[in-house]
Amino acid sequence: GAGVSQTPSNKVTEKGKYVELRCDPISGHTALYWYRQSLGQGPEFLIYFQGTGAADDSGLPNDRFFAVRPEGSVSTLKIQRTERGDSAVYLCASSLYLGGPYNEQFFGPGTRLTVL
Amino acid sequence: GQSLEQPSEVTAVEGAIVQINCTYQTSGFYGLSWYQQHDGGAPTFLSYNALDGLEETGRFSSFLSRSDSYGYLLLQELQMKDSASYFCAVTGNNRKLIWGLGTSLAVNP
Repeated sequence: GAGVSQTPSNKVTEKGKYVELRCDPISGHTALYWYRQSLGQGPEFLIYFQGTGAADDSGLPNDRFFAVRPEGSVSTLKIQRTERGDSAVYLCASSLYLGGPYNEQFFGPGTRLTVL
Repeated sequence: GQSLEQPSEVTAVEGAIVQINCTYQTSGFYGLSWYQQHDGGAPTFLSYNALDGLEETGRFSSFLSRSDSYGYLLLQELQMKDSASYFCAVTGNNRKLIWGLGTSLAVNP
């Protein structure tokens, strides 16, 4: 596709449930990033991948959060035992390569997660 | 710690010029980026400064002073559609973006 896509666009779940959020980056982009954003805040870094490997997962808030990118393209963010505090917009971004002269990241539309 | 500071809100009128400042304190510095985000939308890239000086792209310009750990985004000939949040972000160690809290710009007729 022409841009970064994320599915689902909205996800409502109950506390304690498991959710998966999917990101399909721009074709050919090797770097992929996950952020979450709460209302009135800037994006909060979660994890990024260079290829298939997680280059930095220091932003994952706890071990309930996990992300994979098995073939170096599509990525899935997985949240176990969801809590109400996990409610936010989860943004995915990709860039051509990691930290080059123009570290332009292209963002998807986000997944709005609501935990009831 | 790492931090970026920018004003929380700015108001201006159509046709005016507005400057949004950003000061930063980060572990490592490769460059300063600016992103625009409309309500309900995704952030979109505006500019990137790795070296000192002014970069101009149409109505938007961005400035960086590495010695002062300071940059700004300059928006000229403001239009109603420029009403949005503007984020500065630093590419720091590990080449990841560290984001400010954003500046909400309201452009009035």
